[in-house]
Amino acid sequence: DTAVSQTPKYLVTQMGNDKSIKCEQNLGHDTMYWYKQDSKKFLKIMFSYNNKELIINETVPNRFSPKSPDKAHLNLHINSLELGDSAVYFCASSRTGQPQHFGDGTRLSIL
Amino acid sequence: AQSVTQPDIHITVSEGASLELRCNYSYGATPYLFWYVQSPGQGLQLLLKYFSGDTLVQGIKGFEAEFKRSQSSFNLRKPSVHWSDAAEYFCAVGAPGGTSYGKLTFGQGTILTVHP
Repeated sequence: DTAVSQTPKYLVTQMGNDKSIKCEQNLGHDTMYWYKQDSKKFLKIMFSYNNKELIINETVPNRFSPKSPDKAHLNLHINSLELGDSAVYFCASSRTGQPQHFGDGTRLSIL
Repeated sequence: AQSVTQPDIHITVSEGASLELRCNYSYGATPYLFWYVQSPGQGLQLLLKYFSGDTLVQGIKGFEAEFKRSQSSFNLRKPSVHWSDAAEYFCAVGAPGGTSYGKLTFGQGTILTVHP
């Protein structure tokens, strides 16, 4: 069974569109994260939620809005997509103070 | 602010040879330290972690890493590399507390190529 699952795996869309990426974890973790991996494979945290409360909010354009309907889900909505948003987005989860488990990523390509 | 440097962008070894991947970090106190591995098209898999205690930690797939506080290093080692170890390796530092608690800062990664 997949521990951290993201959908979709691939997302190809045009500039200016709005899109969402979904993440679900079945590990019973209380904290979830979104990371962005750019074309040079550099990984940077974007957001973190603990028990549905936003605890880490890095310098990210406000076109990016995370939403956590419950502890097992953390979705990422992106408005007005730009070319620079092309990247692989990873969701992760953990128990407080424990290592993070990562999903397989969503490859977002902006045309 | 915490930071991680992996000095080697790409390393090539022969199968059966030993391996050491370097990682240096910057953090004001003793951080949490991690090594993750990423295969093409896959997510990151945790190899090992250091939180406290014994500075030599064992991980999965025969990997180990040693925390050296005096050198701010957490190098990853394996005595005999297998072809299936070819992947990209990421070192990461995490804050044990404070406002950055839970935040992982990653190095830029080291690509490992294994020759038969």
